[in-house]
Amino acid sequence: NAGVTQTPKFQVLKTGQSMTLQCAQDMNHNSMYWYRQDPGMGLRLIYYSASEGTTDKGEVPNGYNVSRLNKREFSLRLESAAPSQTSVYFCASSPMSYEQYFGPGTRLTVT
Amino acid sequence: AQKITQTQPGMFVQEKEAVTLDCTYDTSDPSYGLFWYKQPSSGEMIFLIYQGSYDQQNATEGRYSLNFQKARKSANLVISASQLGDSAMYFCAMREGGTGGFKTIFGAGTRLFVKA
Repeated sequence: NAGVTQTPKFQVLKTGQSMTLQCAQDMNHNSMYWYRQDPGMGLRLIYYSASEGTTDKGEVPNGYNVSRLNKREFSLRLESAAPSQTSVYFCASSPMSYEQYFGPGTRLTVT
Repeated sequence: AQKITQTQPGMFVQEKEAVTLDCTYDTSDPSYGLFWYKQPSSGEMIFLIYQGSYDQQNATEGRYSLNFQKARKSANLVISASQLGDSAMYFCAMREGGTGGFKTIFGAGTRLFVKA
């Protein structure tokens, strides 16, 4: 099992550019999550998907959109990147609402 | 509203000694879950231990135990017999809403340094 995979690992964008961060899990988990981690801080929830076909806002959803493509995949889209979105992005999944399994993260820099 | 507080930005411990990392939380929901995660310098997030609000006993997982004091709203992580590999950031997290809840909030973390 690969667990939770994220692509890309690193990305540099210019202000105003768009991109999609991909996440996939092979553990047959129902729930998936997107977090961001800024330097020296804990994780903040951007969006989550309790089950296939549903998505909900977390703490910091502004500037992001998500798609739960199927049970395995949950993507995060930045439509018009801003320097304030420079961060490390983590995807996670969980079987219900217990412990979450995290991907390795995507380090995004917006200049 | 949910809130998680970790008041120790950094902690030092001697190898083979025990250490306690503090976590306090605030919630009005009677049903919630508390988690601890470890983040080594490599950056990945590793689940350590879970405590449900209705669990009668403190959770334990190997060298990790969670000192759950519900009335004080604290969920401290105790690491026994510290090892050099325990040097990392440690995050406390809380999920409200029982098994139907999914929003999880994290504390700011505590960086643990284990000295040889």
